[in-house]
Amino acid sequence: SQQGEEDPQALSIQEGENATMNCSYKTSINNLQWYRQNSGRGLVHLILIRSNEREKHSGRLRVTLDTSKKSSSLLITASRAADTASYFCATAHTSGNTPLVFGKGTRLSVIA
Amino acid sequence: DARVTQTPRHKVTEMGQEVTMRCQPILGHNTVFWYRQTMMQGLELLAYFRNRAPLDDSGMPKDRFSAEMPDATLATLKIQPSEPRDSAVYFCASGLVSLDTQYFGPGTRLTVL
Repeated sequence: SQQGEEDPQALSIQEGENATMNCSYKTSINNLQWYRQNSGRGLVHLILIRSNEREKHSGRLRVTLDTSKKSSSLLITASRAADTASYFCATAHTSGNTPLVFGKGTRLSVIA
Repeated sequence: DARVTQTPRHKVTEMGQEVTMRCQPILGHNTVFWYRQTMMQGLELLAYFRNRAPLDDSGMPKDRFSAEMPDATLATLKIQPSEPRDSAVYFCASGLVSLDTQYFGPGTRLTVL
């Protein structure tokens, strides 16, 4: 069964705007990761946040994690048309590169 | 630029035929995963190897699916016999035990008629 659930399922914004996607999960985790998937392609790792971290940044990406609420958010600032893709959160119960449990993703469309 | 490679990229076959998908993990990676992606179920784990040893294949229908790593540079996923419900995109991913990031291949799009 799915561990992560992304919200919203689809999001459409104008270029230059910020995009926020949320993920909720059910059980305790070691880390939570966000991946991007362009249409017809494989998944690309974006950022990883561990259970003892609350916030991480990478370029235009900002990820937060609230383990008490079992939720995470991904913020993409100053979006570009090239950010159009599906974004998945994935959770790992333990460290050591163990299998990830994926949500069903948020489809982001950035309109130029 | 190290990448996970998968072959074939597309496969169309008839129900009942054997299908073999291949994956070459990134050189030096010691964990390998097979995931399946469908619109209905999303991404699901099929099998997981560490140092070529299978650790988890609970996501696979055992009667028709098999996954192996004949050597460190090759992982295979076989379906025999294939069924229309196996139509999906199959992804291979690799990584290092010491790091939690997984690197995905481009996938094999399988259509079973």
